[in-house]
Amino acid sequence: QVQLVQSGAEVQKPGSSVKVSCKVSGGTLLNSAITWVRQAPGQGLEWLVTSIPMFDRTNIAQKFRGRITVTADEDTKTSHMEMSGLTSEDTATYFCAYGYGAGVVWGQGTTVIVSS
Amino acid sequence: DIQMTQSPSSLSASVGDRVTITCRASQAISNSLAWYQQKPGKAPRLLVSGASTLQSGVPSRFSGGESGTEYSLTIDSLQPEDFATYYCQQYYSDLYTFGQGTKLEIK
Repeated sequence: QVQLVQSGAEVQKPGSSVKVSCKVSGGTLLNSAITWVRQAPGQGLEWLVTSIPMFDRTNIAQKFRGRITVTADEDTKTSHMEMSGLTSEDTATYFCAYGYGAGVVWGQGTTVIVSS
Repeated sequence: DIQMTQSPSSLSASVGDRVTITCRASQAISNSLAWYQQKPGKAPRLLVSGASTLQSGVPSRFSGGESGTEYSLTIDSLQPEDFATYYCQQYYSDLYTFGQGTKLEIK
């Protein structure tokens, strides 16, 4: 059974970058897609990016192009999502999800706070 | 991008009621539609994929439907644990999008 475990909470300053990790157990990165979604406090879900390592494809929401990079380390079965140019509007909980299309399995979420 | 218009944004209902939440896609998405349930402080939980395929372990009182570009999630005989926020998501396009969410509250 696939499980996802994400890295811990982060506090970052405006203008900096953050890297959030998502470790897969019970499955492999190459056999699926990893999607990253965020949720600002009290708000809905916002799709950010989907990475399909097997096909070396990454689809990024237009508003985040140039700011988001996703890397996959099959040896450690970990997906990393890095977001640069942080502003207070990036304060949110970031989730990873496993599965093509629909997110079948989700990580527990990583809180990112952007504050000076 | 494909827009998903979800309604209502909030809904008040009682235990035992039947409720329906809808999502309208801005273009055809060929049943590439998922429904999620989210409770406060938790990750979303996939309920339905492919517009109408119930995930393993999801109670049969949940069902998904489709009519053209309008998709629905129906919950028959609401149970206390069903009060949560529900989201639709299209994955027809490479650029996924979520609906705005429906908060289902106890009347």
